[in-house]
Amino acid sequence: DTAVSQTPKYLVTQMGNDKSIKCEQNLGHDTMYWYKQDSKKFLKIMFSYNNKELIINETVPNRFSPKSPDKAHLNLHINSLELGDSAVYFCASSQVLPSWPPKSPYEQYFGPGTRLTVT
Amino acid sequence: GQQVMQIPQYQHVQEGEDFTTYCNSSTTLSNIQWYKQRPGGHPVFLIQLVKSGEVKKQKRLTFQFGEAKKNSSLHITATQTTDVGTYFCAGSNAGGTSYGKLTFGQGTILTVHP
Repeated sequence: DTAVSQTPKYLVTQMGNDKSIKCEQNLGHDTMYWYKQDSKKFLKIMFSYNNKELIINETVPNRFSPKSPDKAHLNLHINSLELGDSAVYFCASSQVLPSWPPKSPYEQYFGPGTRLTVT
Repeated sequence: GQQVMQIPQYQHVQEGEDFTTYCNSSTTLSNIQWYKQRPGGHPVFLIQLVKSGEVKKQKRLTFQFGEAKKNSSLHITATQTTDVGTYFCAGSNAGGTSYGKLTFGQGTILTVHP
């Protein structure tokens, strides 16, 4: 069973287009994240949602808009794509608040990633 | 803001040699986590350290958390080709409004030559 899934795996698009990436987790976690990994492998957090509420919003252009319809899903919409947006985007989830049955706190499970190429 | 520095950026070893990567935080951490990312893959959780001075072992891997909870290390004994990948440390100030936010180090890319 896939714990954290993302679609699509690859996304090639032209500058100026709008695109979305979808993420789903079946771990019952309360918190989900979006990370951007650049060509030098640096992982930087972009957003985090806890139970559908935006918790972390790093310095990200407002062309990026996350949406969480429920605590198992976190989507990322990007408007007016730019060359510099090319990267691998990872979704992740974790259990932050105490839960029953107990889950290992803060351990993050990552999705397979979406490689975005803007031409 | 919190910064986590990790060195070295690259490490090339012969199979059988040992390997160590080091992590330093600009602030005191509540916990530190280590992840491994295989080439073309996604980060996979290895371990979490919480206590000052904590040492944990997983087979050939030894993880340490500094006494001041500002630094950590991962040591691999007798590397194997299956150890190749990028190793990340990630620090967290748990609780409050941080909601499990991790600040990742830059990662150490390990290459193992057979």
